[in-house]
Amino acid sequence: EAGVAQSPRYKIIEKRQSVAFWCNPISGHATLYWYQQILGQGPKLLIQFQNNGVVDDSQLPKDRFSAERLKGVDSTLKIQPAKLEDSAVYLCASSYSINQPQHFGDGTRLSIL
Amino acid sequence: GIQVEQSPPDLILQEGANSTLRCNFSDSVNNLQWFHQNPWGQLINLFYIPSGTKQNGRLSATTVATERYSLLYISSSQTTDSGVYFCAGTDRGSTLGRLYFGRGTQLTVWP
Repeated sequence: EAGVAQSPRYKIIEKRQSVAFWCNPISGHATLYWYQQILGQGPKLLIQFQNNGVVDDSQLPKDRFSAERLKGVDSTLKIQPAKLEDSAVYLCASSYSINQPQHFGDGTRLSIL
Repeated sequence: GIQVEQSPPDLILQEGANSTLRCNFSDSVNNLQWFHQNPWGQLINLFYIPSGTKQNGRLSATTVATERYSLLYISSSQTTDSGVYFCAGTDRGSTLGRLYFGRGTQLTVWP
């Protein structure tokens, strides 16, 4: 089966610019997650969707980050405006349902200048 | 949230050696997973192991849920095993799926 697809693979922007990431989960997976991984640390959850509804966005910096999963399949994560501390790898994951194994995409490496 | 402690933080081995990586959780977890992050940043599933023991080739894992720890064994290590190994679990007291990760074990295998 095809894995979790993410794009772009790399992105370089200047601070205060905006950026968007795209994720297509494994077919049939109802639960979709966005994680942020800062260099030298483990991934940390930003937001979790169940179908097209948000179930956990408690760690999402909502003043600058937004995410949507309009049709319950693919998802976009946006940062506007970007700050230097947003430099990280943004990982998308999906699972068949909550409390099932999560499978990760290759991530988007974001650099803020 | 759950605190995850991984040890050792760094491990350097010669090819062919065996190793054991440990993961301790501050509270009870569900859905414990082990991942390998390769030098290209890809996070690869190794095991989904809420409890018990599983083996896959040269790798095996054991989770003792009642004592809140898990072990990953790597036998006859190869240079391709290099990378960062993460364990992660969800909070047993929560209905959400947030995975709590440790800081990882950086493994370097040299020829």
